[in-house]
Amino acid sequence: GAGVSQTPSNKVTEKGKYVELRCDPISGHTALYWYRQSLGQGPEFLIYFQGTGAADDSGLPNDRFFAVRPEGSVSTLKIQRTERGDSAVYLCASSSGDYNEQFFGPGTRLTVL
Amino acid sequence: AQKVTQAQTEISVVEKEDVTLDCVYETRDTTYYLFWYKQPPSGELVFLIRRNSFDEQNEISGRYSWNFQKSTSSFNFTITASQVVDSAVYFCALSEARRGYQKVTFGIGTKLQVIP
Repeated sequence: GAGVSQTPSNKVTEKGKYVELRCDPISGHTALYWYRQSLGQGPEFLIYFQGTGAADDSGLPNDRFFAVRPEGSVSTLKIQRTERGDSAVYLCASSSGDYNEQFFGPGTRLTVL
Repeated sequence: AQKVTQAQTEISVVEKEDVTLDCVYETRDTTYYLFWYKQPPSGELVFLIRRNSFDEQNEISGRYSWNFQKSTSSFNFTITASQVVDSAVYFCALSEARRGYQKVTFGIGTKLQVIP
């Protein structure tokens, strides 16, 4: 079956612009996670959804970052007033249960000029 | 707070050599999960293994084996008879069970290069 997909695969934007990154989890997976991976680093947790609700958004770096999952499936990570420091690969993962294996998508590489 | 340390940032081996990737973790919880992920040059994270803190049995899967030792808070990963296709960045990771979900903390990764 289809895995986790993320669009776009690459996004280049200018400082100060707004961006949206999309994640399509594996069908039926209730848990969805966003991570950010900076160059040379491991992924860092951003936010966790169980169904439609953000159960833990403690990893979001500041209020410019926001994520939604309105129907409990697709999720969108939104970044306002982008800064050069936001440049990273944004990874999405989904899981069929809270303690089950997380399946990762290919990521969206965001470059802020 | 939970922390994962991978002291080896880069390792190079010649094909067919065995290689061990080290991982040391810190957590205050008694119940937790440990993971290894592989990230090939294509970038996608590939799940390799998950162990819970109550299961210290070593595991072998083909050329891969894992050594979990709670006494030293280590979860090391060995590749036997390495192959060029094993070249990738390998991440050790930890999540604490008390949260009710997997908030995974990753190490910095070890870049493995297998030279033909």
